[in-house]
Amino acid sequence: NAGVTQTPKFRILKIGQSMTLQCTQDMNHNYMYWYRQDPGMGLKLIYYSVGAGITDKGEVPNGYNVSRSTTEDFPLRLELAAPSQTSVYFCASSSPTLSSYEQYFGPGTRLTVT
Amino acid sequence: GQQLNQSPQSMFIQEGEDVSMNCTSSSIFNTWLWYKQDPGEGPVLLIALYKAGELTSNGRLTAQFGITRKDSFLNISASIPSDVGIYFCAGQLGSSNTGKLIFGQGTTLQVKP
Repeated sequence: NAGVTQTPKFRILKIGQSMTLQCTQDMNHNYMYWYRQDPGMGLKLIYYSVGAGITDKGEVPNGYNVSRSTTEDFPLRLELAAPSQTSVYFCASSSPTLSSYEQYFGPGTRLTVT
Repeated sequence: GQQLNQSPQSMFIQEGEDVSMNCTSSSIFNTWLWYKQDPGEGPVLLIALYKAGELTSNGRLTAQFGITRKDSFLNISASIPSDVGIYFCAGQLGSSNTGKLIFGQGTTLQVKP
């Protein structure tokens, strides 16, 4: 199993541009999450999903959108990139059939908005 | 929002020393987890704790779920250079069926050979 994969690994955007961060997991996990990590600030939840077709806002959802059309994929969309969205983004997944609190993370996408 | 206070913020120790870090909150948590993040990588789960008072080991790592359910501790014995990284605690509040976690700010560990 590849686990949780994320693409791209790095990206530089200009202010106002849009992009989609991809996340895929092959563990058949129902639950998926998007976090952002700023230096010294830990992980902040952006959006999460408990299954295909179901998404909900986390702690810091403004400026982002998500969709969940399949169990495997959970893309994160930035519509109008702003410098405040410069961060490292992590996708994670977990399974309600095991321990739903044991989240497994992807390698991250480092995004710079200039 | 809810917060976890993790301390210390950073540590610089000599190889072979033992390390202790902790997480506290004003709220009661039902689950505590400890993650390690290597530079440029995603967090990796080290230990999960599910019951108050539980003490669990993973090699040289030992973690405890505090009796009050408001804190957790991680100890690393006989540190080695590959222990370098950021350690995060994470907790789950209440009986959420979404699996959502709250993360501490992290403890950065540096080990001098």
